[in-house]
Amino acid sequence: LAKTTQPISMDSYEGQEVNITCSHNNIATNDYITWYQQFPSQGPRFIIQGYKTKVTNEVASLFIPADRKSSTLSLPRVSLSDTAVYYCLVGALTGGGNKLTFGTGTQLKVEL
Amino acid sequence: DTGVSQDPRHKITKRGQNVTFRCDPISEHNRLYWYRQTLGQGPEFLTYFQNEAQLEKSRLLSDRFSAERPKGSFSTLEIQRTEQGDSAMYLCASSLGRGFPFGGTEAFFGQGTRLTVV
Repeated sequence: LAKTTQPISMDSYEGQEVNITCSHNNIATNDYITWYQQFPSQGPRFIIQGYKTKVTNEVASLFIPADRKSSTLSLPRVSLSDTAVYYCLVGALTGGGNKLTFGTGTQLKVEL
Repeated sequence: DTGVSQDPRHKITKRGQNVTFRCDPISEHNRLYWYRQTLGQGPEFLTYFQNEAQLEKSRLLSDRFSAERPKGSFSTLEIQRTEQGDSAMYLCASSLGRGFPFGGTEAFFGQGTRLTVV
């Protein structure tokens, strides 16, 4: 499975847009890119998944360049409740087939 | 059925004792996963079932660990002769496998069982 690299931590303020970039230089043709969010003492929660270009849902956008060697999770107008750890995962059939491989994630802290 | 349910939420046990955790996945999900998470780390894969078949086990799953999923419904994870290093959050997740080229479907996680070995 492709290894991912993401910042250990990020700080932001309420109302700002937050972009978290993940590097995955060895991504394979069949790999999807998936982001999960985790609050303390809870299991991870799926945010968004994509293969290429841009994907948007009600909570986030995922930007994937043509070479797919990186991806950026964009959280619009964050609030205090977005303070959490965000994990970037890559893998074939991620979430629906093979095991998920989590790294250490990015701790996002949102302040007033 | 509103999500993945795990029981118990917390377990404190003495070193050397056996413990068993239960996971009830979302009813129509055919895939079930167990993970272990320690403080400050991401979840680590332990094992994975498709229906009742255990298809993959991590090297982290020593001989003291065993998991079952009888009848492809709920699953149990048993740890025998617990050690202090087993203290962690044990997470269960389930998903609906559709197979390539339909891509992945999201995995839904339970709230976990926090094990403390004293």
